[in-house]
Amino acid sequence: GENVEQHPSTLSVQEGDSAVIKCTYSDSASNYFPWYKQELGKRPQLIIDIRSNVGEKKDQRIAVTLNKTAKHFSLHITETQPEDSAVYFCAAPRGSSNTGKLIFGQGTTLQVKP
Amino acid sequence: GAVVSQHPSWVICKSGTSVKIECRSLDFQATTMFWYRQFPKQSLMLMATSNEGSKATYEQGVEKDKFLINHASLTLSTLTVTSAHPEDSSFYICSANQGWGGPYEQYFGPGTRLTVT
Repeated sequence: GENVEQHPSTLSVQEGDSAVIKCTYSDSASNYFPWYKQELGKRPQLIIDIRSNVGEKKDQRIAVTLNKTAKHFSLHITETQPEDSAVYFCAAPRGSSNTGKLIFGQGTTLQVKP
Repeated sequence: GAVVSQHPSWVICKSGTSVKIECRSLDFQATTMFWYRQFPKQSLMLMATSNEGSKATYEQGVEKDKFLINHASLTLSTLTVTSAHPEDSSFYICSANQGWGGPYEQYFGPGTRLTVT
């Protein structure tokens, strides 16, 4: 947690292609990494998360990988569809105590072109 | 499960007035709720952490006397923007922790669009 950097800020892909969004974090004690999808004017929705005891988690077309050594985690979306177009935010725990606080990345605007 | 509601969804108020926003967990009890502010095309910025039965914890730079938070029950937290000014216009979103999956799993309300004229 504490500092989360997200890249790229915008990403445009053709329908059917894959999209990858990467986040780096600074606190090596962080142990929970969620990804949220936010459509325009709507609430962020949790789409997948990973805990530090695993390196990869997959749910249909989306997957998250975690590299604890390098302190980065990535969201992978395969076979992208126009409805995947949205802003995606990564997050990591904020602070060392169990407060439940999250710090969010800057967001990635994904555009899937039909 | 894990449904969070917010009311109102949008509000327009005049400068100098106060506005109250409600956040409810509908199908679970939330000992902790969080309040965020989001400006257009920006990320979510945590304003405060709301714990049932105790005072809210505010993030650095957030005026506690301006943004009053009350967590009256395990399913309701309120944010009151006092003496609102145009610069307070923003999208305010709450989230609640369900508690089952650990302290960090948060489920968000639909947000409240505040416009101060």
